[in-house]
Amino acid sequence: AQSVTQLGSHVSVSEGALVLLRCNYSSSVPPYLFWYVQYPNQGLQLLLKYTTGATLVKGINGFEAEFKKSETSFHLTKPSAHMSDAAEYFCAVSGGSQGNLIFGKGTKLSVKP
Amino acid sequence: DTAVSQTPKYLVTQMGNDKSIKCEQNLGHDTMYWYKQDSKKFLKIMFSYNNKELIINETVPNRFSPKSPDKAHLNLHINSLELGDSAVYFCASSQNPPGLAGDEQYFGPGTRLTVT
Repeated sequence: AQSVTQLGSHVSVSEGALVLLRCNYSSSVPPYLFWYVQYPNQGLQLLLKYTTGATLVKGINGFEAEFKKSETSFHLTKPSAHMSDAAEYFCAVSGGSQGNLIFGKGTKLSVKP
Repeated sequence: DTAVSQTPKYLVTQMGNDKSIKCEQNLGHDTMYWYKQDSKKFLKIMFSYNNKELIINETVPNRFSPKSPDKAHLNLHINSLELGDSAVYFCASSQNPPGLAGDEQYFGPGTRLTVT
């Protein structure tokens, strides 16, 4: 069965610092991997996704993630955090019993001035 | 224009009542979903419809009944509400069924249901 593990339920960084949010997955088939962001009291918005091809994926708002099959990881990074990046971030893998998205438990990112 | 809209945004009701949440998407997508997000922010699929046909039905009490009158609408009716039903319910849509081509899912703003 597919699963997603996000290491760290809460990550706090200073404005301008590197953002690193960790995601590991398990999948018996080549996975489709996603990062979504949820701002307070809003729905989820896609940041980026990996389907096939280039393993370094660039998304919106300066975020990127690298698919590493050998490490079964899909960590999300951003070189320089902005205050506006404060939100909840969800990693997801497509591959449930009927191909549905399976979400990690989320990582709350706080950005300090 | 809002791509995926839900009504109401907030719903407060008493145990035992029956309530509905409506969802509409104007993206022309074929597939729609209902997710439940609990108080710890854990997000889990409940149902999915493709072209008005149910394709995903996770382990959900049969008090929850989805209805899709057409491709653009997916409503969620809940009978005999319980305290544990309190959560945020998200509707979403995608062009293709899940697991096919890795399509992005577009989420609505959510409906916060509080059962007292």
